[in-house]
Amino acid sequence: QSVLTQPPSVSGAPGQRVIVSCTGSRSNIGAGYDVHWYQQLPGTAPKLLIYGDSNRPSGVPDRFSGSKSGTSASLAITGLQAEDEADYFCQSYDGSLSGSVFGGGTKVTVL
Amino acid sequence: QVQLVESGGGLVKPGGALRLTCGASGFTFSDYYMSWIRQAPGKGLEWISDIRSSGSFRKYADSVKGRFTISRDNPKNSLFLQMNSLRAEDTAVYYCARGDSLFDNWGQGTLVIVSS
Repeated sequence: QSVLTQPPSVSGAPGQRVIVSCTGSRSNIGAGYDVHWYQQLPGTAPKLLIYGDSNRPSGVPDRFSGSKSGTSASLAITGLQAEDEADYFCQSYDGSLSGSVFGGGTKVTVL
Repeated sequence: QVQLVESGGGLVKPGGALRLTCGASGFTFSDYYMSWIRQAPGKGLEWISDIRSSGSFRKYADSVKGRFTISRDNPKNSLFLQMNSLRAEDTAVYYCARGDSLFDNWGQGTLVIVSS
């Protein structure tokens, strides 16, 4: 049972927009801690995709965007492409646990 | 470019021990917090430990507290994880990552299997 809750899967056709949600609580996202997102392509290590709620590292396409409100955060992928098929994980800090926490991950499938 | 390379994984019996190593290059290792994060087969990510840049402060997840020890050798650009009293539920790919609350670079991981 992950501290942050994500849907197990989302899917969309090429070119569509999909949203991955991440729900936390008052001790993590709701406490104002940053939310970060990681992309894990099949058989590879996770890669930082979004940091500080909505910032993209250099090299990440602007098709990926992040937002946060209250105790939840979201990752949006617009103009979905076949190469976006991967697992996506949200992550924040939890003040009660005094450590980083992750969501269970969401598998994005391109139909 | 930043490179993190883990080693030391393998098959170990329940109750056994293993020491993981992460070699770092491409950045000033002694300037950064470092972490260990694991992923059980087919499961999500779990942060398990981090260590301050100087090595003076360490944190652990409850799931490994008292059994695992994180350490570092800054002159040798290396991060370690000593794992004792291993259990079946410790079976996972273990990643080292740069940072403590934001993980901006990850190694490729090393697989630890705890089984009799």
